Amino acid sequence: GESVGLHLPTLSVQEGDNSIINCAYSNSASDYFIWYKQESGKGPQFIIDIRSNMDKRQGQRVTVLLNKTVKHLSLQIAATQPGDSAVYFCAENIANAGGTSYGKLTFGQGTILTVHP
Amino acid sequence: NAGVMQNPRHLVRRRGQEARLRCSPMKGHSHVYWYRQLPEEGLKFMVYLQKENIIDESGMPKERFSAEFPKEGPSILRIQQVVRGDSAAYFCASSPSILGGPEAFFGQGTRLTVV
Repeated sequence: GESVGLHLPTLSVQEGDNSIINCAYSNSASDYFIWYKQESGKGPQFIIDIRSNMDKRQGQRVTVLLNKTVKHLSLQIAATQPGDSAVYFCAENIANAGGTSYGKLTFGQGTILTVHP
Repeated sequence: NAGVMQNPRHLVRRRGQEARLRCSPMKGHSHVYWYRQLPEEGLKFMVYLQKENIIDESGMPKERFSAEFPKEGPSILRIQQVVRGDSAAYFCASSPSILGGPEAFFGQGTRLTVV
């Protein structure tokens, strides 16, 4: 079936480096994509989202890039800090058969980001 | 404005017992989503509810699982006759509109352990 998946399950970086977390998706009908951060024992925390009609969106220290040609999504974190250590998930929202979408999300497996001081 | 409140945070049940998980959405939110997360996996959609209505339960197992979101009170995810495979973290998210997604906030989850 169609799904959202990640290339790398773990990523270790030094404090201050830039981090890039990748995600592949297979459903062309995705309406928007969201990146979540999940710390141990907590619920997913919204980081940034991007609509399917965009290819780039920037937030505070984070940038999401969307390449619809190859169905690839990435999250870039600038100047990574130890507090960024967590599991990062991409999720997609797919419009239903009627063309509308609601908040039902399909999550990827997750990437564990570890930031070393 | 309190966030999405889930309780209990941890729940231990013996096989065959019932588990009731509660989710109080954020103030003003009338849309609730339940997700299940197995260890080292992403969240899997279970059910989407609006007040007094189940809109999409395509992710709910056919047996033993039910959900409700009454006019008053929290949303409840009920698992009857639990089995070890039900052990997981259960998260709910609430949003103020049907769009969900970026507008949705997740609770801290209930970690169910079946022994």
